[in-house]
Amino acid sequence: RKEVEQDPGPFNVPEGATVAFNCTYSNSASQSFFWYRQDCRKEPKLLMSVYSSGNEDGRFTAQLNRASQYISLLIRDSKLSDSATYLCVVIAVNKLVFGAGTILRVKS
Amino acid sequence: EAQVTQNPRYLITVTGKKLTVTCSQNMNHEYMSWYRQDPGLGLRQIYYSMNVEVTDKGDVPEGYKVSRKEKRNFPLILESPSPNQTSLYFCASSLTVRGTADGYTFGSGTRLTVV
Repeated sequence: RKEVEQDPGPFNVPEGATVAFNCTYSNSASQSFFWYRQDCRKEPKLLMSVYSSGNEDGRFTAQLNRASQYISLLIRDSKLSDSATYLCVVIAVNKLVFGAGTILRVKS
Repeated sequence: EAQVTQNPRYLITVTGKKLTVTCSQNMNHEYMSWYRQDPGLGLRQIYYSMNVEVTDKGDVPEGYKVSRKEKRNFPLILESPSPNQTSLYFCASSLTVRGTADGYTFGSGTRLTVV
C-alpha cells in the first residue's frame, strides 16, 4: 500500500463546477499536511496547509480527518486557470511523502 | 526575493560522466531535500538534510550522493549516471522538517537526460 494515495483522475469539469479531491495516508504518526499545485513540468507550489479544524482560502477549502486518515480539497466555482495537478503532501518522521497527484482539467 | 535556485535547468549527459546539480536557498532554512519525479510515480525523495553536515537517505538514494557543508547549499552528485536516472529533479527547503504554514519552497527543477 502506498503511503499517500490519491485518485489520479483526470477530473474533467466545466467552468463554475465544484470539484473535490481526496487523499488517504497510511502513517498515523503523520504530523503536517499540505496541498500543492503543480503545472506541467514546473515546480510544485503551495496551495494551502491543512489543519484539523479545516481551513478555507477563497474558493478552496481543505479538511483533515485524522481518525480516518484522509485529507480533502474542495474547489468551488472552478476556473480555467485551476487546471493543474494537485499533490497531497504528508510529513511524517523527517520526510515529505507525496501522493502521485490528481489531474484537474477545467473546460469552458 | 526568497527562493531556491537550482542549476542547470536542463542537462543532457552520457552514461558514466560525473555531474553535479546545484541547489542554493537564501532563506536560512535548516531542512533541504532532493526529489525526482517520474511519470506515474510522483515525487520520490532521494536524500535530505536536517542541517549542516547532517544528511540521510530518502526512498531512492542509490546512485546519488549529497553534501551539506554550508547551510545554503545542498548539491546532488551523480558519480556515474545511468539512463535510469533520466528524470525531473527538484530541490526543496523549509525552515524545519515539519514545514511551516508556508510549507516547503521548491526550486524550478532540473530536467536530466542520460544517454
